[in-house]
Amino acid sequence: AQKVTQAQTEISVVEKEDVTLDCVYETRDTTYYLFWYKQPPSGELVFLIRRNSFDEQNEISGRYSWNFQKSTSSFNFTITASQVVDSAVYFCALSEAGSGYSTLTFGKGTMLLVSP
Amino acid sequence: GAVVSQHPSWVICKSGTSVKIECRSLDFQATTMFWYRQFPKQSLMLMATSNEGSKATYEQGVEKDKFLINHASLTLSTLTVTSAHPEDSSFYICSAPGTSGRGGDTQYFGPGTRLTVL
Repeated sequence: AQKVTQAQTEISVVEKEDVTLDCVYETRDTTYYLFWYKQPPSGELVFLIRRNSFDEQNEISGRYSWNFQKSTSSFNFTITASQVVDSAVYFCALSEAGSGYSTLTFGKGTMLLVSP
Repeated sequence: GAVVSQHPSWVICKSGTSVKIECRSLDFQATTMFWYRQFPKQSLMLMATSNEGSKATYEQGVEKDKFLINHASLTLSTLTVTSAHPEDSSFYICSAPGTSGRGGDTQYFGPGTRLTVL
């Protein structure tokens, strides 16, 4: 079973639309960390957010917001008023205490295409 | 945030040759670094954990004799793909935790190296 599931392989939206990228994770650890990374066409992964399992507060950073719900093991990412520059592959990742914390398990990624 | 560099950014080589990829943490020390491999339109798969001053830890299914890892200093890890074959063509990415040894460290990634083996 996948530890990190990103069910949406590809999403296409028109500029200014809001879009939510889903992430469902699976772990037996009570302490873990969740991450989102952006990978633009250049290939370099850009860190977006890190959230520990004890902090369920939602977070907003500009047009980005994250909804962490332990009850459903989800850590969804919403982009408000999307822009063409948001086009990229977005990865959700999990770091578990049992794996030594620093090791990241990635989801398969969601490709977001924002057209003008 | 912390900066990790990789060199080269891309390399093309003939089948049977060896290729060395460098990963450097530019503004922080990293006793641990990670090497990932990414095939086109796929996710990142952890290949190995590079440990400064000791042997690397390889993930299941990764040939340690083929993918040689050396973590010679607190800021440099190298991955050598020995006797490369076309199936080794991939995007190789390294990363380093922002604060070595702490739980849930944010991983900072290098820009990646695209290897093409002819």
